[in-house]
Amino acid sequence: SAVISQKPSRDICQRGTSLTIQCQVDSQVTMMFWYRQQPGQSLTLIATANQGSEATYESGFVIDKFPISRPNLTFSTLTVSNMSPEDSSIYLCSALDLGSPDTGELFFGEGSRLTVL
Amino acid sequence: AQKVTQAQTEISVVEKEDVTLDCVYETRDTTYYLFWYKQPPSGELVFLIRRNSFDEQNEISGRYSWNFQKSTSSFNFTITASQVVDSAVYFCALRVTGSNYQLIWGAGTKLIIKP
Repeated sequence: SAVISQKPSRDICQRGTSLTIQCQVDSQVTMMFWYRQQPGQSLTLIATANQGSEATYESGFVIDKFPISRPNLTFSTLTVSNMSPEDSSIYLCSALDLGSPDTGELFFGEGSRLTVL
Repeated sequence: AQKVTQAQTEISVVEKEDVTLDCVYETRDTTYYLFWYKQPPSGELVFLIRRNSFDEQNEISGRYSWNFQKSTSSFNFTITASQVVDSAVYFCALRVTGSNYQLIWGAGTKLIIKP
């Protein structure tokens, strides 16, 4: 199983600023995903980040607001731009452990808890 | 359309009681995968189990067991002799083939184990 480290683990940010979250995996993985989890809610997929290609965003999420980088097979970043209080959430990075084709499970980091004032 | 329903928003039991978390899914695909994840207060999601649609055998892992029934589209999770450390939010999720590995998540069930 992959071990995923996220930084920062939590932060308090001012409205209008931007924050970049880093995600480091201890092994090479093909697919990485970024999720948002608003307080008391389930997970919502922001985007899929594959190395060597542009991130694929889900409906309701745009690159200008959530730019993602995936420079290699073990690292990704998510930036939350021009933050507002509505962006206060846990942001989770995950990686796919393929194991055998089409059956791989997702492994998650501990999440980054952002509070926007 | 695919959907996962966890009707129990919150369950509270006393330690050592058995507890079952329900998960009902909807899909027209014949090949799919079901998952359970645990999210303790620390926030990290911990993978518990994966089951594919062709394997209806129930599974037991220590105090945890899973009952997969295609006839009722359910994939329920039972904790036997619950412990305080089991307190967490538990998520059931569904993935269908061709979905680019995306998961459809249930709303989660918050489990509180009282000492």
